[in-house]
Parts: sequence; C-alpha cells; structure tokens
Amino acid sequence: KAGVTQTPRYLIKTRGQQVTLSCSPISGHRSVSWYQQTPGQGLQFLFEYFSETQRNKGNFPGRFSGRQFSNSRSEMNVSTLELGDSALYLCASSAGSSYNEQFFGPGTRLTVL
Amino acid sequence: QKEVEQDPGPLSVPEGAIVSLNCTYSNSAFQYFMWYRQYSRKGPELLMYTYSSGNKEDGRFTAQVDKSSKYISLFIRDSQPSDSATYLCAMIGGGNQFYFGTGTSLTVIP
Repeated sequence: KAGVTQTPRYLIKTRGQQVTLSCSPISGHRSVSWYQQTPGQGLQFLFEYFSETQRNKGNFPGRFSGRQFSNSRSEMNVSTLELGDSALYLCASSAGSSYNEQFFGPGTRLTVL
Repeated sequence: QKEVEQDPGPLSVPEGAIVSLNCTYSNSAFQYFMWYRQYSRKGPELLMYTYSSGNKEDGRFTAQVDKSSKYISLFIRDSQPSDSATYLCAMIGGGNQFYFGTGTSLTVIP
C-alpha cells in the first residue's frame, strides 16, 4: 500500500507570495491533518479535514487555509507569505476513527526569502 | 506555558546504552500518549502508543505514563546506531487534537 505523498518536496518563495501544498493520503484514509514543523516550536497542528469538512483547527492565522477533495486528497494554502512561514509542512492521514494510527508524509520544505 | 515540554537534547550515547527520553505536560485531560521517531528528511513514524497510566513494552522500547506527575517516558534498551533520530512525544487533547513535543535528537555512537 502506498504511503502518504506530498508535493512538492521543496519550495522557495518570496515574502508576499502565496503557496499551495498538496497531500495524497493512504488509500482508504478519510482524515488528513496538516502540521507545521520548525526547530523552535516543534510540530504545530494546523487543521484536520475529514470527508471534505474541516473537523479541527489549530491556532494559526487566517492566511493558512486548506481543503479536502472527494478523493480525500488535500491542499493547504498560505497567502501573503512571511519569513516566519519557513518550515517543514507535514501531512498525516488516518482512517479517521483511530487517532493512534496517524501516518505522516515526508513533508514539504518551504523556504520564504 | 506550552502544553507539552520536551528536552531537545541533543543526546549522544554509546551503542548498547539504555536511553531515557522524557516529556512533561500540563493538561490533565490528556488520555492518549504516543512516541514518534523521525529520521532526517522523513516524516515522523509512530513507535509506541499508550492509553492512560502504565507501561507498555515493544521489543527494545518501553513507554511509561505517570498521569499523577504528568510525565511520560520512552526507554530504549540496547541502543543501536539505527536508533539515531529525533524522538517526538505526542498527546491527544480535546477535540482529538494532537499536541507534540519539540523533539529530542538522539545519536547512538557505534
């Protein structure tokens, strides 16, 4: 069974631009969660989607948004990029009913210049 | 105060040593506790999962939860160079939201 895939793996943007990251969950998984990982803050929860609906949301500004499609693939968008948005963005999928089984993708490394 | 505190290390031990990794937390409502391992340039992978207080053993790994002290530990016996990675503790809070520690970087020296 293929794992969680994320595209692109690396991205360089400049301040003020916007970016869209993509995540394809494991086949059959309906829940997709997004995290931001930085050396100082660790893994911080952005939001979770389940069956195309946002089910949980972390404490990030409205510049961070996401959506999920009917095939469970998810996208995350960051508008008006700031230097502090440079991070590894991780996506995790789960079947949705068991919170211990969350499988992570390799992440997208975003650098904002 | 952060919900979950974890010493970032780095921690360096000789091969064969017993490693102890720890996290403290502030929210007494946390019931589910996990440890993830993250290799360089990879996403975290689930190592251990425990519910409420107690111990759980899986091969060379033992997870302990002490809810009265709000303290969790991961022990690695007979550590191997392949155990070199960053170890993240995680807990599930209200609304099934995950809270992660910042991670402890471990190096096992052959």
